[in-house]
Amino acid sequence: EVQLVESGGGLVKPGGSLRLSCAASGFPFSTHRMNWVRQAPGKGLEWVSSISSSSSYIYYTDSVKGRFTISRDNAKNSLFLQMNSLRVEDTAVYYCAGDYGDSGLDAFHMWGQGTMVTVSS
Amino acid sequence: DIVMTQSPDSLAVSLGERATINCKSSQSVLYSSNNKNLLAWYQQKPGQPPRLLIFWASIREFGVPDRFSGSGSGTDFTLTISSLQAEDAAVYYCQQYHSRPRTFGQGTRVEIK
Repeated sequence: EVQLVESGGGLVKPGGSLRLSCAASGFPFSTHRMNWVRQAPGKGLEWVSSISSSSSYIYYTDSVKGRFTISRDNAKNSLFLQMNSLRVEDTAVYYCAGDYGDSGLDAFHMWGQGTMVTVSS
Repeated sequence: DIVMTQSPDSLAVSLGERATINCKSSQSVLYSSNNKNLLAWYQQKPGQPPRLLIFWASIREFGVPDRFSGSGSGTDFTLTISSLQAEDAAVYYCQQYHSRPRTFGQGTRVEIK
């Protein structure tokens, strides 16, 4: 059974940092492109970042460029999101989501349950 | 960025009736290399993550009931629930994965009348 389990969310002050993790199991993690998608309270879905299977290709939405860093450890079947200089508008549930393959031309076939990040003073 | 616009924002449908959600993209999402529309539909119930229903505009994900169907090409797409069941009450999102950033529509809430 495919499982994606996020952790690392919490309450942080503006300007602070958090590191999110996503533990994957039940599929060959090292062959799949992975993503972070967020959802602000009561709002819609927003793609945040993606990383190819070998970490060769990394992309970010404009609002997080220079502040967030995506990475992965294929040996540990894990995906990460280092979030620095956090802003109130980064408050959201952050989902780990997996592509079907590694082409970058896939829908998000796999989703975790999400971890809540709250940025507030 | 490709802007995805869904209509309506919400709809109430009686059990057993048809529900139709539209999605329009600001640019074509037809990928010329394989002639496929890079358009997906997701269902999200309260407190749950999104669930992929449809990809390539019309292909049902494994395990999705056949009352869900997707159609359309280019810039105009439709998700149809042929006979609404109680468990279909949810918010539905379209998403294009033709270009970065992969953008979502604003969502359509489907309620039971």
